[in-house]
Amino acid sequence: DAGVIQSPRHEVTEMGQEVTLRCKPISGHNSLFWYRQTMMRGLELLIYFNNNVPIDDSGMPEDRFSAKMPNASFSTLKIQPSEPRDSAVYFCASSSGTSYPQETQYFGPGTRLLVL
Amino acid sequence: RKEVEQDPGPFNVPEGATVAFNCTYSNSASQSFFWYRQDCRKEPKLLMSVYSSGNEDGRFTAQLNRASQYISLLIRDSKLSDSATYLCVVNRGGGYQKVTFGTGTKLQVIP
Repeated sequence: DAGVIQSPRHEVTEMGQEVTLRCKPISGHNSLFWYRQTMMRGLELLIYFNNNVPIDDSGMPEDRFSAKMPNASFSTLKIQPSEPRDSAVYFCASSSGTSYPQETQYFGPGTRLLVL
Repeated sequence: RKEVEQDPGPFNVPEGATVAFNCTYSNSASQSFFWYRQDCRKEPKLLMSVYSSGNEDGRFTAQLNRASQYISLLIRDSKLSDSATYLCVVNRGGGYQKVTFGTGTKLQVIP
């Protein structure tokens, strides 16, 4: 299995530009998570999908952030317009269920975003 | 109060030493608990789940104390390769995943 795939791995952009991060979960997993990690705040859950439906988006910082999951094998996280404070590592994770042991989350390698 | 709290460290220990980390959680309804390991500039990976009765995996022992709302991780005979950040994870459960990660405890094992 290829694991969770994220692209791009690195992104450098200028303030005000649109940024789109992509994620392909592990085949057969029905839960998908987007996280943001910074030194100051650690790993924060942004949004959680189950069976392609957003279940909990309470962690999405503001309207500039949006996430979609059009099918079971693809999700995007979009930031528009981007700001320097959005600079962080964005992880996507997936799991196969909601109870032990299927709830174990498998993380992708992350996208390192730098907004200048 | 944060939902999950950890001592950020760093814990600097010599090879062969035993080291223990604690993690406290605020929601008494939390249902499942994990320790993840994160190497520098890498993604987090599951180290072990934490069972109510405590569990061991080689040199690693995890304990759960529901009454005091903390979990612990004990590493015996530390290896250089154990150097990483250890993340405490709490899942509130309840039909869907409400997962909260601690900010992590950094461990540096010194030769």
